[in-house]
Amino acid sequence: GAVVSQHPSRVICKSGTSVKIECRSLDFQATTMFWYRQFPKKSLMLMATSNEGSKATYEQGVEKDKFLINHASLTLSTLTVTSAHPEDSSFYICSAMTRGRAKNIQYFGAGTRLSVL
Amino acid sequence: AQSVTQLDSQVPVFEEAPVELRCNYSSSVSVYLFWYVQYPNQGLQLLLKYLSGSTLVKGINGFEAEFNKSQTSFHLRKPSVHISDTAEYFCAVSDSRPGGYNKLIFGAGTRLAVHP
Repeated sequence: GAVVSQHPSRVICKSGTSVKIECRSLDFQATTMFWYRQFPKKSLMLMATSNEGSKATYEQGVEKDKFLINHASLTLSTLTVTSAHPEDSSFYICSAMTRGRAKNIQYFGAGTRLSVL
Repeated sequence: AQSVTQLDSQVPVFEEAPVELRCNYSSSVSVYLFWYVQYPNQGLQLLLKYLSGSTLVKGINGFEAEFNKSQTSFHLRKPSVHISDTAEYFCAVSDSRPGGYNKLIFGAGTRLAVHP
């Protein structure tokens, strides 16, 4: 149980294009999903928190218009990197949590490696 | 606000030797504590967690950790490591108050390298 699927696992795109990353909870309903960014050999940096049916809460310094987050259902959240540039290249990881299960444990997806040329 | 310090960025160890990965935290409120493992190009897998109760917590893959409130530590241990334990290990903390914000604060990570 507690499986979180993240897709795609790897994406290469041209500068100026937009990329959408999906995060799905497969066997539970995720009331809250989190999006992280991880730089090489670094820890995870929380970008935003999304609750189903409401607007995402972004961390300080994260551009809302650059990183669009949608949490339209209890099993799906998406992160869209708009007008991507090489500096957006990174490893993006999502996690999902439900208050009804195991006291607020976050379950992580496998991550998406974004490379912007 | 909370913070997490992982005292060692890298820990080399020989196979079948014991290992301890150190983690200290700072918080003005009660917390939950976690250890996650990350294999190359993968997401994070939960190793173990401390929510309440016994301060010695056992997790997957033979790992255990002990919560020490007076020293604000949550060190991870394994009595005998395998090559397959080579990975990045992250200690994390979150606010445990009812209705508290459940953001995870991560340490910088410790790279465990197990050598034959």
